[in-house]
Amino acid sequence: AQSVAQPEDQVNVAEGNPLTVKCTYSVSGNPYLFWYVQYPNRGLQFLLKYITGDNLVKGSYGFEAEFNKSQTSFHLKKPSALVSDSALYFCAVRDWETSYDKVIFGPGTSLSVIP
Amino acid sequence: SAVISQKPSRDICQRGTSLTIQCQVDSQVTMMFWYRQQPGQSLTLIATANQGSEATYESGFVIDKFPISRPNLTFSTLTVSNMSPEDSSIYLCSATSSGRAYEQYFGPGTRLTVT
Repeated sequence: AQSVAQPEDQVNVAEGNPLTVKCTYSVSGNPYLFWYVQYPNRGLQFLLKYITGDNLVKGSYGFEAEFNKSQTSFHLKKPSALVSDSALYFCAVRDWETSYDKVIFGPGTSLSVIP
Repeated sequence: SAVISQKPSRDICQRGTSLTIQCQVDSQVTMMFWYRQQPGQSLTLIATANQGSEATYESGFVIDKFPISRPNLTFSTLTVSNMSPEDSSIYLCSATSSGRAYEQYFGPGTRLTVT
């Protein structure tokens, strides 16, 4: 079965420090991977995706993610956290068991950046 | 990226009534999706709406309870029928466009409370 795991419900980091939000996946086809962010009381926003190519993917707001095939991981990173990065982060993977553009979302990780 | 609006943004409804949520996209899109989300939790896909065909429902969701329309490439509606308090949730509309495979763009959501 295909799945996405985000092993940490909550991540706390001090402002200015690097942040990492973890994601691991299990898929039956090529791993098409995504990160979304949800700010309080707002809809989700697309951050970045990995389809093919360079394992380090750069996205919006200074975020990047590293695809690691051997570890089946796609961790989200940022070199220096901002208080405004505090939000709910979702990792997602393309669902190959359907014929349309469906993705499977992980459970989410709440990021708190402490001033 | 596509900009998506939803109406209403929130509503409080009586048990047994129905509510129709509208989703408008500012450009033509291929797939449209309807999700349900409890605050702070992950997304649950209700159905996928393809223009000109019947919606595809996920396990646990049926057309009689959640009828969906997709009359054109920029608009969709979701109706929550015969509501009960268990239907209280945030309902999110999203869409993908050709050329940007699997990137979903989300509306701000409709917060529904059933009393």
